[in-house]
Amino acid sequence: AQSVTQLDSQVPVFEEAPVELRCNYSSSVSVYLFWYVQYPNQGLQLLLKYLSGSTLVKGINGFEAEFNKSQTSFHLRKPSVHISDTAEYFCAVSDAGLTFGEGTQLTVNP
Amino acid sequence: DTGVSQDPRHKITKRGQNVTFRCDPISEHNRLYWYRQTLGQGPEFLTYFQNEAQLEKSRLLSDRFSAERPKGSFSTLEIQRTEQGDSAMYLCASSHGTSSAGGTQYFGPGTRLTVL
Repeated sequence: AQSVTQLDSQVPVFEEAPVELRCNYSSSVSVYLFWYVQYPNQGLQLLLKYLSGSTLVKGINGFEAEFNKSQTSFHLRKPSVHISDTAEYFCAVSDAGLTFGEGTQLTVNP
Repeated sequence: DTGVSQDPRHKITKRGQNVTFRCDPISEHNRLYWYRQTLGQGPEFLTYFQNEAQLEKSRLLSDRFSAERPKGSFSTLEIQRTEQGDSAMYLCASSHGTSSAGGTQYFGPGTRLTVL
């Protein structure tokens, strides 16, 4: 069975600071990895995905993630965050359905 | 393309009642998924359809839960004899794919169920 671990449940940062949200996965087969964002009272929105090819994946809103097979990680980064990035972020690995981590609450403070 | 839609957005029911939710996927998406999300947790996979066939069900999907996708388009999720533990957000997603990865999933806004 595949699993996802998000290492930080909450990440507070100041506006314009860089941020990294950590995600580790376990899988015995080829993986397809995703980051979704969930704003308060809204559905999940796809930020970016890794299916194959380049290990550095760029997504929407200035986010990017790097697939590291040897470390089984798929960390999400943004060089400079905005107040509007405050949300819950979920890492997921694809199986029949998606297996999600427990989420990381990113709070951007002024 | 109007995205994935779900109806109703909110449902309050009394314990023991039956409830049914509807999901309309993105048109021409052949796969449709149901998830459950409780407060402070990530979504948990319940089941998925490829066209009208239900291909996998999670062990989370007890006998009181049933899902259908009769014509390979919209889907319904019914919960019989609801319990307070069923209170959660029920999410639907759709994708286009035939491989095991199933393509990128696009989520609807969810149906929030409260069982009193």
